[in-house]
Amino acid sequence: LAKTTQPISMDSYEGQEVNITCSHNNIATNDYITWYQQFPSQGPRFIIQGYKTKVTNEVASLFIPADRKSSTLSLPRVSLSDTAVYYCLVGDTNSGNTPLVFGKGTRLSVIA
Amino acid sequence: GAVVSQHPSRVICKSGTSVKIECRSLDFQATTMFWYRQFPKKSLMLMATSNEGSKATYEQGVEKDKFLINHASLTLSTLTVTSAHPEDSSFYICSARAPAGVPSDEQYFGPGTRLTVT
Repeated sequence: LAKTTQPISMDSYEGQEVNITCSHNNIATNDYITWYQQFPSQGPRFIIQGYKTKVTNEVASLFIPADRKSSTLSLPRVSLSDTAVYYCLVGDTNSGNTPLVFGKGTRLSVIA
Repeated sequence: GAVVSQHPSRVICKSGTSVKIECRSLDFQATTMFWYRQFPKKSLMLMATSNEGSKATYEQGVEKDKFLINHASLTLSTLTVTSAHPEDSSFYICSARAPAGVPSDEQYFGPGTRLTVT
């Protein structure tokens, strides 16, 4: 399973765009990149998933360069409620028996 | 999206007793479920992979005789912490893979169970 590296923490003011970059130099051909959000004392919540280029949904955008060795989660106009830990995970999601292995995540603090 | 529930949401037990935590997939069948534990300010640590109808696969360092996993049906997996001790106090989270044929490749997580051993 590919290992991921993310910044331990980030601070942002409300209304700003936040970009969290994740490195995954050993990503395999079949691996997808998935981001989860976790609030204290809650289970992780799926944010977005991608394989290459750019993916956008109602919550975030995910930018993946051609070499796929990194990815950037972009949160537009963050609010206080976006304060959470964000995890970048890499794995072959087509394999039903393969669990997601969590790295240390990025603790985002949004300030008013 | 698919929903995974856990019961109880929090439990307090005395040292030496056993505690069972249930994980249910509410609107889909999950042949594989995963169990994680999370200590304060730390990331999720995979404990085991639970396969319906077969023995669970435990990660290195996780005692299979202490953390009993049963996956007797396609919608229910249970984790029993036997002879619990204060160091077993943690946040336990289960997850299930999206079923085949569902467009999303998400892994759905339960809300977690807070175990406190006194």
